[in-house]
Amino acid sequence: ETGVTQTPRHLVMGMTNKKSLKCEQHLGHNAMYWYKQSAKKPLELMFVYSLEERVENNSVPSRFSPECPNSSHLFLHLHTLQPEDSALYLCASSRNLGQTNTEAFFGQGTRLTVV
Amino acid sequence: GQNIDQPTEMTATEGAIVQINCTYQTSGFNGLFWYQQHAGEAPTFLSYNVLDGLEEKGRFSSFLSRSKGYSYLLLKELQMKDSASYLCANQAGTALIFGKGTTLSVSS
Repeated sequence: ETGVTQTPRHLVMGMTNKKSLKCEQHLGHNAMYWYKQSAKKPLELMFVYSLEERVENNSVPSRFSPECPNSSHLFLHLHTLQPEDSALYLCASSRNLGQTNTEAFFGQGTRLTVV
Repeated sequence: GQNIDQPTEMTATEGAIVQINCTYQTSGFNGLFWYQQHAGEAPTFLSYNVLDGLEEKGRFSSFLSRSKGYSYLLLKELQMKDSASYLCANQAGTALIFGKGTTLSVSS
């Protein structure tokens, strides 16, 4: 069983839909992250949470809304997305935030297609 | 600002040695990571350097020169299963900042 689990693995949604991506970590980590991975682009950091508090919002449009109800769960709520938002969305967690040698563990990602 | 550069693609043959270079220019530095990502899978941790020098882990080694803003990942005795993307990442501030990744194709 992987330490970081994301659901769903694949999602197709229309531009007027509302959907949510879910991430759960079973590692006892205090920090969680959302990254976006598009073709031919580096992994882009979207949001950072530490102990359920958002510490970074990397200029992400408001149509992406994160939620962290506890240190084990992270959601990404999606509404009125655009086709260019189609990408692989990766969740990650780490023991603590920003310290040296703080390895990040990634989930398998959600492949999102906006039609 | 943050800028991490690595080659887009590399090819090699089974049993060979390949070196994947990474240069970085970032506003902070807490360590340099290498991750491996197979198509359709999660990135997985390979190595970490925070001090200058070489870190060896079996067939994989990673080198760091902080003064030059330079790292490389060395893969020895290549196997077909090593075909993947290799991501260089700098820990600067709150999270990892990634390069575009190098897609390595290993042929027989």
